[in-house]
Amino acid sequence: QVHLVQSGAEVKKPGASVKVSCKASGYTFTGYYMHWVRQAPGQGLEWMGWINPNSGVTNYVQKFQGRVTMTRDTSIFTAYMELSSLRSDDTAVYYCARGGGPSTGYYFDYWGQGTLVTVSS
Amino acid sequence: SYELTQPPSVSVSPGQTARITCSADPLPKQYAYWYQQKPGQAPVMVIYKDSERPSGIPERFSGSSSGTTVTLTISGVQAEDEADYYCQSANSSGTHVVFGGGTKLTVL
Repeated sequence: QVHLVQSGAEVKKPGASVKVSCKASGYTFTGYYMHWVRQAPGQGLEWMGWINPNSGVTNYVQKFQGRVTMTRDTSIFTAYMELSSLRSDDTAVYYCARGGGPSTGYYFDYWGQGTLVTVSS
Repeated sequence: SYELTQPPSVSVSPGQTARITCSADPLPKQYAYWYQQKPGQAPVMVIYKDSERPSGIPERFSGSSSGTTVTLTISGVQAEDEADYYCQSANSSGTHVVFGGGTKLTVL
């Protein structure tokens, strides 16, 4: 069965960077896009962008351009999301989610358990 | 910009039918998806491509689409259905994902 297992909670100071990992199992890693979605405390879901694990091509929401980097290591079936220049309003649970891409339509059929990133001085 | 609008809350008694709407502006050209999220848990897809139900999702969950509005219907609501529900689609050019603001379903 499909599993997405994310790295543990992080506490960072403003201005720092955080890198969250998402290890996939139970399916062909390069066969599906990997998306990143975040959720601030008590708020809704916010899509950040995707990476095509097969090609490494990425697509980021303009809001995060210049601060977010999505990468993958196909040898260990793991996707990464790095967010830099952290601010207090980046405090959120960050989810990876397997899904579709531009040709199949965007959807999220499996989600990681979430990683809480807290930004505080 | 493309937006999906949901009511903030819906309340129903057990056994009744809950309907959660999601209105798109401008007219959507992409399919809609619905996710259920319980407190402290990751979202779970309950409807895909407007009206299809993933395996393992109870038959009481259904979806429909009409014009600019998609609707999630939960027939015979149970206490375990109390959760936040989010609709999701993509902009007309298919480059970006959009989520609705979420609807809190309360089972009275």
